[in-house]
Amino acid sequence: DSGVTQTPKHLITATGQRVTLRCSPRSGDLSVYWYQQSLDQGLQFLIQYYNGEERAKGNILERFSAQQFPDLHSELNLSSLELGDSALYFCASSSLSSGGSMFFGPGTRLTVL
Amino acid sequence: AQTVTQSQPEMSVQEAETVTLSCTYDTSESDYYLFWYKQPPSRQMILVIRQEAYKQQNATENRFSVNFQKAAKSFSLKISDSQLGDAAMYFCAYRSATTSYDKVIFGPGTSLSVIP
Repeated sequence: DSGVTQTPKHLITATGQRVTLRCSPRSGDLSVYWYQQSLDQGLQFLIQYYNGEERAKGNILERFSAQQFPDLHSELNLSSLELGDSALYFCASSSLSSGGSMFFGPGTRLTVL
Repeated sequence: AQTVTQSQPEMSVQEAETVTLSCTYDTSESDYYLFWYKQPPSRQMILVIRQEAYKQQNATENRFSVNFQKAAKSFSLKISDSQLGDAAMYFCAYRSATTSYDKVIFGPGTSLSVIP
């Protein structure tokens, strides 16, 4: 158990809908990262937050947005969903004490029908 | 921009044997971290081993060890006494240590099969 939690584990929805994925980082970790992994593909970096502020942005679509709240949990919002958005979405967290190491949550498997 | 390359999309090893997975990276920085992550069929991402670039000594975690060649920008993972549970996708990753809280860059992965 990495200490990073993600909810829900599975999500099935229809095209055009909007969903919210939630992540709670490890206790004390200020940085949260979101990654997308499509079937049989690598990890695509979406966005990073540090202590509530956006720090880095990757290949995140305009239909996607994220935020990190004062209690450090983070949410990834996906809207106007398309079939191609079906993927495993990972949240990860890190801190200075982890020496640069990033720890992943179990992921949320999103299926868009 | 930094890049991470894993030139072996698939590899296999006999149970109890040793296998080495290759990784090369490109960076102009001198201080950084390198990681190997394992992703078994459950799809959970598990940190296997971590190397700090300023340390010359190669990291070791039980049956897992790395061969870190900084000048060659090479970071290979050696798995000794391979077990069936080692079958997974392995990702090499890079992270800057000079840019605070920067993103981690992953390679495309190597799928490892363990033959009983």
